[in-house]
Amino acid sequence: EEQLVESGGGLVQPGRSLRLSCAASGFDFGYYAIHWVRQAPGKGLEWVSGISWDSENIGYADSVKGRFTISRDNAKNFLYLEMSSLTDEDTALYYCAKDASRSWVYWYFDLWGRGTLVTVSS
Amino acid sequence: QSVLTQPPSVSGTPGQRVTVSCSGSSSNIGGNTVNWYQQLPGTSPRLLLYSNVHRPSGVPERFSGSKSEVDTSASLTISGLQSEDEADYYCGAWDDSLNGHVFGPGTKVTVL
Repeated sequence: EEQLVESGGGLVQPGRSLRLSCAASGFDFGYYAIHWVRQAPGKGLEWVSGISWDSENIGYADSVKGRFTISRDNAKNFLYLEMSSLTDEDTALYYCAKDASRSWVYWYFDLWGRGTLVTVSS
Repeated sequence: QSVLTQPPSVSGTPGQRVTVSCSGSSSNIGGNTVNWYQQLPGTSPRLLLYSNVHRPSGVPERFSGSKSEVDTSASLTISGLQSEDEADYYCGAWDDSLNGHVFGPGTKVTVL
């Protein structure tokens, strides 16, 4: 069964950092691009970042550019999101989402995890 | 403020046909394909339709999609609404100007 399982969320103070992880299983993780998509409480979906299959191409939403860093380890089937300078606007459920293609550009998300909750508050 | 526009809510009775609209611009819907995601209460989103009209394996045939050839809009239609279709529906697309993926604000479909 194809599966994505996020972890690493929690309560963090404004200005601090946090690292999220996403463990993939049931498919050829190294073949596909993969993304982080977040959803603030009671709100809609917001794409955060995407990374190509080989980590050569990466994209970020303007709202997180310069503060968040996406990376992946194809040998371990893991995706990461390093978040710094966190603000209360980053409070959200963070989903790992598999792309249908090798590129993070253009296509769509065909597999989603259950998410990990990040709460930024003092 | 979402880049794509959707009505906040749509409702219908069981068996009815309902349509959810999604409006954008030339940098997203106008030049790229539209995808739809369904989020049942308390669950994560799942891909419902991709590339305007295609259903992934397991998605019932009562879900269909279309994209306008004359303006920058797309639609999701549920034919034969069922109680288990009560969910939030999001349209999504690639945006050439933002160089990123964008979503609509979501439409809550209620089965009366």
